[in-house]
Amino acid sequence: ETGVTQSPTHLIKTRGQQVTLRCSSQSGHNTVSWYQQALGQGPQFIFQYYREEENGRGNFPPRFSGLQFPNYSSELDVNALELDDSALYLCASSAAGARETQYFGPGTRLLVL
Amino acid sequence: SQQGEEDPQALSIQEGENATMNCSYKTSINNLQWYRQNSGRGLVHLILIRSNEREKHSGRLRVTLDTSKKSSSLLITASRAADTASYFCATDSGGNQFYFGTGTSLTVIP
Repeated sequence: ETGVTQSPTHLIKTRGQQVTLRCSSQSGHNTVSWYQQALGQGPQFIFQYYREEENGRGNFPPRFSGLQFPNYSSELDVNALELDDSALYLCASSAAGARETQYFGPGTRLLVL
Repeated sequence: SQQGEEDPQALSIQEGENATMNCSYKTSINNLQWYRQNSGRGLVHLILIRSNEREKHSGRLRVTLDTSKKSSSLLITASRAADTASYFCATDSGGNQFYFGTGTSLTVIP
């Protein structure tokens, strides 16, 4: 167990809806990254938050947005869901002094119908 | 697009045999990491090798890095059924993004 938790574990939405996924970082970690993993693919970087500020973003449209809270938990929000958004969404936390070592949560599996 | 590519895509071996998987990448890196993923769940960090290192060991794992060829290999010795998983390499070029490959699916037959 990495100490990183995500909720919910599974979610079914319909096209056009909005979804919020949540992540609780490992204690003491102030950096969180979010990844999208399509079936049979490797994780793709969505964005990273450090001390409540976005600190890097991958090639994802603005309808993917996030928040990090003072307790370093975070949210990933996706608006106007599309069928291709169906994937496993992973968050990973890391400590400021050891950013390169990421601890992943178990993921949220999102299905868009 | 993803930075790394693992080879082979799938590997099936008998318990006790060694498993070798390779990763190739495209740009210069600060470090390269290997992760394991069981059945579409979270990734578990296995080992990190920095760009100035050529080989690293951790238990039954041995990782090599050849920056001139932009490639890395992961060797799992004396494999066990519990090693059955997908293995991913991830490259860190010093920014805030980690680039993952498409993974190698390893099956260890008891």
